[in-house]
Amino acid sequence: QSVLLQPPSVSGAPGQRVTISCTGSSSNIDAGFDVHWYQKLPGTAPKLLIYENDKRPSGVPDRFSGSKFGASASLAISGLQAEDEGDYYCKSYDNSRSGFVVFGDGTKLTVL
Amino acid sequence: QVQLVESGGGLVQPGGSLRLSCIASGFPFGNFGFHWVRQAPGKGLEWVAFIQYDAKKKLYADSVRGRFTISRDNSKSAVYLQLNSVRPDDTAVYFCARDVEPFAMTAAEGCDYWGQGTLVTVSS
Repeated sequence: QSVLLQPPSVSGAPGQRVTISCTGSSSNIDAGFDVHWYQKLPGTAPKLLIYENDKRPSGVPDRFSGSKFGASASLAISGLQAEDEGDYYCKSYDNSRSGFVVFGDGTKLTVL
Repeated sequence: QVQLVESGGGLVQPGGSLRLSCIASGFPFGNFGFHWVRQAPGKGLEWVAFIQYDAKKKLYADSVRGRFTISRDNSKSAVYLQLNSVRPDDTAVYFCARDVEPFAMTAAEGCDYWGQGTLVTVSS
């Protein structure tokens, strides 16, 4: 189990809004390290959706938004579309031991 | 346009070695740090290793430290991952990925460009 905790699954109907949480601790998110979010679809490379907590790379729709507060971060997806179905991962840095990068275990998004 | 192309994957026996390559193009290679990330069949993403833009900092996941080595050759715009003493649980698709920000001094950046991945299968 990862040091970044994500719900195993979330679901929503087309057009709805869903949020995915990512809970860390004092050695990662709460230490001030940024959170990044990725979408992973089968057979494709991960895609960066949000970096530095709330920034969107060019080309990512504004339906995707990120936030961070204390030891937690969230990814919100509004106006759900069928093509949003897939796995979502948060990522941060942990300064325990000699320092390492850590992904959450991932959240499976199902569009009903 | 920015491209990352991995190669070098394949079937390897337990205890064997393999070298993965990631060739980059379309941007000033020497300005960016790189990561290797893997995904085992049916599992989530797992960070493997990081090399800073100037190669002065290298970090490894506990699961590979002492067995894997990350390196770079700026003259070839290449990042490598040497896999030694491989185990069946190293079986995965391995991706290389570039930091969003140039000249980053930590491994804490997001990764905006990724290769298509190369499959490593460890089996006898």
